[in-house]
Amino acid sequence: KQEVTQIPAALSVPEGENLVLNCSFTDSAIYNLQWFRQDPGKGLTSLLLIQSSQREQTSGRLNASLDKSSGRSTLYIAASQPGDSATYLCAVLPNSGYALNFGKGTSLLVTP
Amino acid sequence: EAGVAQSPRYKIIEKRQSVAFWCNPISGHATLYWYQQILGQGPKLLIQFQNNGVVDDSQLPKDRFSAERLKGVDSTLKIQPAKLEDSAVYLCASSPVGVGETQYFGPGTRLLVL
Repeated sequence: KQEVTQIPAALSVPEGENLVLNCSFTDSAIYNLQWFRQDPGKGLTSLLLIQSSQREQTSGRLNASLDKSSGRSTLYIAASQPGDSATYLCAVLPNSGYALNFGKGTSLLVTP
Repeated sequence: EAGVAQSPRYKIIEKRQSVAFWCNPISGHATLYWYQQILGQGPKLLIQFQNNGVVDDSQLPKDRFSAERLKGVDSTLKIQPAKLEDSAVYLCASSPVGVGETQYFGPGTRLLVL
């Protein structure tokens, strides 16, 4: 059974800092990996999707990397802003199924 | 483009009562998902529909949960009878046809069972 772990569980940084969120998964037989953002009381918003054959994806100040062989992904946020405060969730789609397996998320607070 | 709609947004019931949630996916999306997100956890897939058919319901507690997708569009998720441990946010998502496409999530229904 695929296990997805996110470290740290919570993170507080001052505005302007660059930061890295980590995601690890136990089974490397994945179809793709996605990073989502969840704001309080709201649904999930997809940030980046990395196919299993890709190494990284970038969108604005966000960069996600994937090392499938070691079962790791990182989400890099450059020049953090208070508006980045949210919970960030990592999810993997296994080759063998349709269900996304989510981590518990990292709760990020960016202080002015 | 309108997003995924869900109602109600909040629901409080007592244990052993029944409750139903409604989801309207993005127009044209063939695949619809229901997830359960318990506080402090990531979402867990309950059921996935492809058009009218069920693709995966392996994690749906079928003794109390049921779901249907009417005419391949709207969907309802029902719990009967509810238990305290069903307190969670129920998220609906949809995606176009195809494996591994981005899923678009609704705002969720927050259920509290007392």
